[in-house]
Amino acid sequence: AQSVAQPEDQVNVAEGNPLTVKCTYSVSGNPYLFWYVQYPNRGLQFLLKYITGDNLVKGSYGFEAEFNKSQTSFHLKKPSALVSDSALYFCAVRDMDTNAGKSTFGDGTTLTVKP
Amino acid sequence: DAMVIQNPRYQVTQFGKPVTLSCSQTLNHNVMYWYQQKSSQAPKLLFHYYDKDFNNEADTPDNFQSRRPNTSFCFLDIRSPGLGDAAMYLCATSTRQGAYEKLFFGSGTQLSVL
Repeated sequence: AQSVAQPEDQVNVAEGNPLTVKCTYSVSGNPYLFWYVQYPNRGLQFLLKYITGDNLVKGSYGFEAEFNKSQTSFHLKKPSALVSDSALYFCAVRDMDTNAGKSTFGDGTTLTVKP
Repeated sequence: DAMVIQNPRYQVTQFGKPVTLSCSQTLNHNVMYWYQQKSSQAPKLLFHYYDKDFNNEADTPDNFQSRRPNTSFCFLDIRSPGLGDAAMYLCATSTRQGAYEKLFFGSGTQLSVL
């Protein structure tokens, strides 16, 4: 079984400040981890993924995420937030050791960046 | 541009009246998925096709069916929509069934049931 937790429903930051959106996961095997962003009334867009290798992954729009195996976390970060980053963010996990290709999504975190 | 296209963008149906949602892709991806998303909650996988092989999730109601006549198209049929089926329906694709493949999503169809 696999699961994802996003402990914060809402994250508010001021423009120009760093942001963090938290994600923890649980899988029986090794994880593949993803972040997606969803703008209002739109589908999800891929931001970045961790497969293997360097624990710090860089993605689209200046976002990055750090894989921490001991803490089973994959937090999304950005050094300087923009108002246009305001959206709904989903963390997702897949178990590397299964071939079902099924992604499990967290419940999402709404990021609001204020000018 | 290659993409995943969902039609219509908004769909209104009546309680119990069958409805079909459409998805097409120009990415030539092997795998196509249908997700249900309610009120900005986590997308919930209903089923997916790996080529012509259909994979239904255990908790997907029988009311939901799917067809994939060819690589490019996939349809979601709701045989007798209930009020609880009102949601955003997201189609997604990936190149293979491998766990490392990212998903490409369409813009979704917002279904209302009156």
